[in-house]
Amino acid sequence: ILNVEQSPQSLHVQEGDSTNFTCSFPSSNFYALHWYRWETAKSPEALFVMTLNGDEKKKGRISATLNTKEGYSYLYIKGSQPEDSATYLCALNTGGFKTIFGAGTRLFVKA
Amino acid sequence: DADVTQTPRNRITKTGKRIMLECSQTKGHDRMYWYRQDPGLGLRLIYYSFDVKDINKGEISDGYSVSRQAQAKFSLSLESAIPNQTALYFCATSGASSGGLNTGELFFGEGSRLTVL
Repeated sequence: ILNVEQSPQSLHVQEGDSTNFTCSFPSSNFYALHWYRWETAKSPEALFVMTLNGDEKKKGRISATLNTKEGYSYLYIKGSQPEDSATYLCALNTGGFKTIFGAGTRLFVKA
Repeated sequence: DADVTQTPRNRITKTGKRIMLECSQTKGHDRMYWYRQDPGLGLRLIYYSFDVKDINKGEISDGYSVSRQAQAKFSLSLESAIPNQTALYFCATSGASSGGLNTGELFFGEGSRLTVL
C-alpha cells in the first residue's frame, strides 16, 4: 500500500516566523508531486506541481523543493502571515489517474 | 463563478436515505473524480471517470455509485446512507497541460459536507 506522510500534523506560529513542512513518499512510484493549499470552506488549490528531481519552485513567500531519489519534498513559508493559515496537502501522482494524498499539515499563523 | 461547482454544500440526512451529490465543471476537462475527506486522513478516491462512457471504481467505492451525465457533469449517489459515510466530499477534474504532459493536477470544487444521522 502506497503511503504519503506529512509532518507535522499541525503547526502554530507567530506572524513573521518562517516555517517548513515535510512530505515523504515512496520514491519508486514517483511521477509527479503536488502541493495544494486548502483554506477552510474553500476548494483546495494547487500551489506547485513538481516533476523533476532537484526541482525548486517559488511563489511569493512560499517555495518547495523535491528529492525523488530519497522520496521527500519540503514546503517553506518565509515570514508567515495570518492569511497563510490553511491546510497544506501533499499528493503523489504515480501516473495516470492515481493520486495519493497525505493527511495534510494544518498551519495556524497568529497575528 | 467557480470552475467546479458542487451541490449541495451541506446536507444532513438519516440512515437509509438516498442521497445524490452533484458536480458540474466549466473547465472542459475530460477527467472527473469524487474524493472523500475524513479528519486525520488524506483524500481518498471513490470513483473516477475519464469520459462520458468511462466509469471506474476507486479505493473506497463500496456503498457509492456514480453517473457521468455529460462531459461537464458527474454525480455521486449514496443509495442507502449510513453514519460512517459522514464526511466531506470533493469533486475534482483534471486535464492535459498545454505541453501535453498530464501531471494529474486536480481542480477541486468547494466540497459537500454530508452528515448521516
